Amino acid sequence: DADVTQTPRNRITKTGKRIMLECSQTKGHDRMYWYRQDPGLGLRLIYYSFDVKDINKGEISDGYSVSRQAQAKFSLSLESAIPNQTALYFCATSEGGRGETQYFGPGTRLLVL
Amino acid sequence: AQSVTQLDSQVPVFEEAPVELRCNYSSSVSVYLFWYVQYPNQGLQLLLKYLSGSTLVKGINGFEAEFNKSQTSFHLRKPSVHISDTAEYFCAVKGSGGYQKVTFGIGTKLQVIP
Repeated sequence: DADVTQTPRNRITKTGKRIMLECSQTKGHDRMYWYRQDPGLGLRLIYYSFDVKDINKGEISDGYSVSRQAQAKFSLSLESAIPNQTALYFCATSEGGRGETQYFGPGTRLLVL
Repeated sequence: AQSVTQLDSQVPVFEEAPVELRCNYSSSVSVYLFWYVQYPNQGLQLLLKYLSGSTLVKGINGFEAEFNKSQTSFHLRKPSVHISDTAEYFCAVKGSGGYQKVTFGIGTKLQVIP
C-alpha cells in the first residue's frame, strides 16, 4: 500500500463550488504539505503543518484553507472554486530535520469549469 | 530568500547517450540541494540529495550530481540513459538553519528517444 494517499485522484467541479481534497499518510511523519503544480511554474507551496496544532500559510494560500484532523490526515479545501485553481495538487510528508526528504502522494488532478 | 533556476524546460536525448540536466540556485545562507523525479501520472520521488561533505552525490538509477559552490550549481548527470528515464526532473533547494521551506525549480522534461 502507498505511504501517502490522496482522494480523489481526479475531480471536475464548477466555479463557485466548495471542494475538499484529502490526504492520508502511514509514514508516521509530523510534517505535511500541500502543493500545486502548474505547467511552467513547477511546484508551489499552499499550506504546511508541523503537527496537529500547527498550520502555516505557504506562498499561494489565498482561496484555500486546510484542516489537520490527525497526525495522519491533512485536507485542503477550496471554499469557492475558480477556473485558475485548475491544477495538479500534491500532498507530501516529511519527518523534519536537516535535508529532510519529502514523500509525495500520487496527486489530484482538479478541473474547475 | 532562495531561488532555483532550471535552465532547460525540455531535454531530448537518444537512448544510451549521456545527459546533463542543469540547475543553478541562489541563497543567502548555506543550502541543502535535492533532485526529485516525477514519472508520468505519479508523485515526485527523491533521486538524490546533497547535505554536506563530498560534492559528488550518487543517487538511484545511476544518476549523480555535483555540488559546485562557486558556481552555485547542482547539475544532474547520467552517463547512459534508458527509455525508462523519461520523466520530469525537479531541482530543489532548502536553506540551512531553523525552518526553511523547500523551493522547487520549474522542472526539466527528459525525453529519451529510442
